[in-house]
Amino acid sequence: AQKVTQAQTEISVVEKEDVTLDCVYETRDTTYYLFWYKQPPSGELVFLIRRNSFDEQNEISGRYSWNFQKSTSSFNFTITASQVVDSAVYFCALSEVNAGNNRKLIWGLGTSLAVNP
Amino acid sequence: DVKVTQSSRYLVKRTGEKVFLECVQDMDHENMFWYRQDPGLGLRLIYFSYDVKMKEKGDIPEGYSVSREKKERFSLILESASTNQTSMYLCASRGPDATKNIQYFGAGTRLSVL
Repeated sequence: AQKVTQAQTEISVVEKEDVTLDCVYETRDTTYYLFWYKQPPSGELVFLIRRNSFDEQNEISGRYSWNFQKSTSSFNFTITASQVVDSAVYFCALSEVNAGNNRKLIWGLGTSLAVNP
Repeated sequence: DVKVTQSSRYLVKRTGEKVFLECVQDMDHENMFWYRQDPGLGLRLIYFSYDVKMKEKGDIPEGYSVSREKKERFSLILESASTNQTSMYLCASRGPDATKNIQYFGAGTRLSVL
């Protein structure tokens, strides 16, 4: 069965601290995609990144970076020098590839990040 | 940019009422989804549609139905609202390359059933 686990329910940091959000997944597929979404207090989920299972290169986008490790089935998300605007709920998700139109996202339960001034 | 619009941000209804939640996307996407989000339970898929007049049950379809008469619009219907359907409802659409599976979300409708 496919599963995404975000063990950290809530994290609280002080502005400018670095913070890592953990995501561990389970799948029997050899080809799959992993995602991170951000849900700010306004409610709309915003797509951040998609990674396919064949690409284990780390990704950096400004203060955001992602570490994908197949050996540990993890896709962790780090925010460097956090800011108050980073306060949000962050979701990790997994997508199977070989399910045609019925392809769905398997969601983690989310990590609520509070960045305090 | 993809825009997914949900007709209401907040809605208050009474038990037993029929409730319509509307969602419109402007990118000609074939696939659309309805989720509900509850504390501690994350996002749960209610229904999805991969084409006009096509629908598939998600993980928690009980108590809900959907309608997709036009490509851009996907409606979620609560035939007889109950208090346990108080929740945040999120609509999403997905682009033509299903392999990439990037879903774009609306701002959500927070429904309270009294």
